[in-house]
Amino acid sequence: NAGVTQTPKFQVLKTGQSMTLQCAQDMNHNSMYWYRQDPGMGLRLIYYSASEGTTDKGEVPNGYNVSRLNKREFSLRLESAAPSQTSVYFCASSEAGQRNTEAFFGQGTRLTVV
Amino acid sequence: AQSVTQLDSQVPVFEEAPVELRCNYSSSVSVYLFWYVQYPNQGLQLLLKYLSGSTLVKGINGFEAEFNKSQTSFHLRKPSVHISDTAEYFCAVRAPGAQKLVFGQGTRLTINP
Repeated sequence: NAGVTQTPKFQVLKTGQSMTLQCAQDMNHNSMYWYRQDPGMGLRLIYYSASEGTTDKGEVPNGYNVSRLNKREFSLRLESAAPSQTSVYFCASSEAGQRNTEAFFGQGTRLTVV
Repeated sequence: AQSVTQLDSQVPVFEEAPVELRCNYSSSVSVYLFWYVQYPNQGLQLLLKYLSGSTLVKGINGFEAEFNKSQTSFHLRKPSVHISDTAEYFCAVRAPGAQKLVFGQGTRLTINP
């Protein structure tokens, strides 16, 4: 029972490099999310997708793009990485609408930008 | 807009002592409330949730939380902690039907032997 799977688990980038974080869920959830976690700031929403084909900005979208490839997959892209994007990134998924209660999280991607 | 405040960034306690982790939220509408736990180098795992009904909610690993609407609080408690409870705990809120789950800043619980 995989749940939410993120790849890679760790990544080191140089400033200006690009990369895509991958996320897939096998729970048939409509909604998917990308959060970043920084010390003392909890989790902050970057982007979310309420359903296949839709995406919306969250609290801290600058410097990121997302793609909801299909119902299972939701990727996060950093076009030109900056040291301020050093963080732990979490993907999550949940049911839609009134059935949307808790979110289920992946194991995280620890990204360091040097 | 909804917000969540976790009043303590760190809570050190001795093993087998009781613990309370405090969470206050601000919202003008009814809310769903959650506590998540994050063990070192892992993702977030749901401890418990309040959707409606009884204000005392029991979760996994012996934790419980009480929803207090008048004080807009959802404090997490455990009567006797174990070393394995060492983790970071996050309180979160969502309005029914809304997409966004808003998190507090987290409380790091450290258990001393």
